[in-house]
This record gives sequence, structure tokens and C-alpha cells, in this order.
Amino acid sequence: AQRVTQPEKLLSVFKGAPVELKCNYSYSGSPELFWYVQYSRQRLQLLLRHISRESIKGFTADLNKGETSFHLKKPFAQEEDSAMYYCALDLSGGYNKLIFGAGTRLAVHP
Amino acid sequence: DTEVTQTPKHLVMGMTNKKSLKCEQHMGHRAMYWYKQKAKKPPELMFVYSYEKLSINESVPSRFSPECPNSSLLNLHLHALQPEDSALYLCASSQDRTVTGADGEQFFGPGTRLTVL
Repeated sequence: AQRVTQPEKLLSVFKGAPVELKCNYSYSGSPELFWYVQYSRQRLQLLLRHISRESIKGFTADLNKGETSFHLKKPFAQEEDSAMYYCALDLSGGYNKLIFGAGTRLAVHP
Repeated sequence: DTEVTQTPKHLVMGMTNKKSLKCEQHMGHRAMYWYKQKAKKPPELMFVYSYEKLSINESVPSRFSPECPNSSLLNLHLHALQPEDSALYLCASSQDRTVTGADGEQFFGPGTRLTVL
């Protein structure tokens, strides 16, 4: 069955500390993975997609098919990074179906 | 226009009422979605429309009735809801995945917060 697991409900760090938000997936096909972010009082929006291998706002994420993981990392957290982060799996093969993990709330303290 | 808009922002309805949620986008996207999000939970997919046709129904109760009158509009008709249906209802749109080069990004609206009394 398709599943996305984010083991941490809350990740609390101090400003300037490294951050890693964990995401593991279960899918027999070729996965397409995304990180979506929801800042306070803002709509859900795309942060990163694995196929582009880009860095957005200092965040990066690498797809590891061997470990079925897509962890989100940032070397130095900023207070404005505080938000809810969702890892999402898009089923390939012509579907438009997005499956979200439970989400991790990142709190960056001054 | 690169936003998905949803109306109303808030809706309170009784269990015998009939109401509709509306969603609009003008990005030329041919896939549109309804999600339900309960407090402190991730969005859960309800329906997917592709080229104005219903392509996915995630076993949603019939008291929720989606409609896609044209490529820019998506409605969700509500009838005889239960208090447990109270949630944030999100609409999203994207390029259809069958389109060459479509990257799968979904653009979300701000949501309609529904309360069923």
C-alpha cells in the first residue's frame, strides 16, 4: 500500500541549528515526492520537488530509493522557517493523486 | 492570475441545509481537486477532476457532490451533512499529469472552514 511516514510531529530547534525533517515512503512504483509547507495563516504551497533537485530557501531534499526516504534538510534554521511541513507522494502513471504524510511542525526559537 | 480562490471563507450550516463551496482558477490547469483537512491532520483527497470529468472519488459519502461546470470552476455541493464533516475544505489545481512536462505541483486555495451544527 502507498504510504508516507513523517515520524516527528514536532521538531524544535534554535536559530542557526541544522534541521532535518524525516520522510519515508512506501510505494511499489516509481515515486515522485514533494515537500509542501504551510506557514501560519497562509495557504499550503510547494517547497521542493525531488525531480528538480533544487534548493529553495536553503532547504534541500534528496530521494534515497534504497532507504525509501526523502528527508528535508537545512544547515542553518531561521525563525521564519517555523511552519508545518508535509511530505507528499504523487503516484505516477498518469494519476493526479497526492498522498500526504502526517506533517511535522518545525519551531525555530531565537 | 496564479491563485486558486475559494468562497466562502467560512460556512456554518445545519444538518438539513443544502450549501455549495466554490473554487476557481485561471491558470489553465485541467486537473482540480477537493481535499478535506481536519484540525492538526494532513489534507485527505476527496475528488479529482481531469478535463472536467471525475477521475477519482475516494469513497466519499454521497452527501458530498462535486461538480466541474467548466475548466476554471469546481463546486462541492453539500447536503445532509453530519457534525463530523466539520473541517477545512481545500481546493487545488494542477496541470494534468498526462501533459508532457507537467511537474505535478498542486496549487492550493486558502480553504473554506465548514462547521456543521
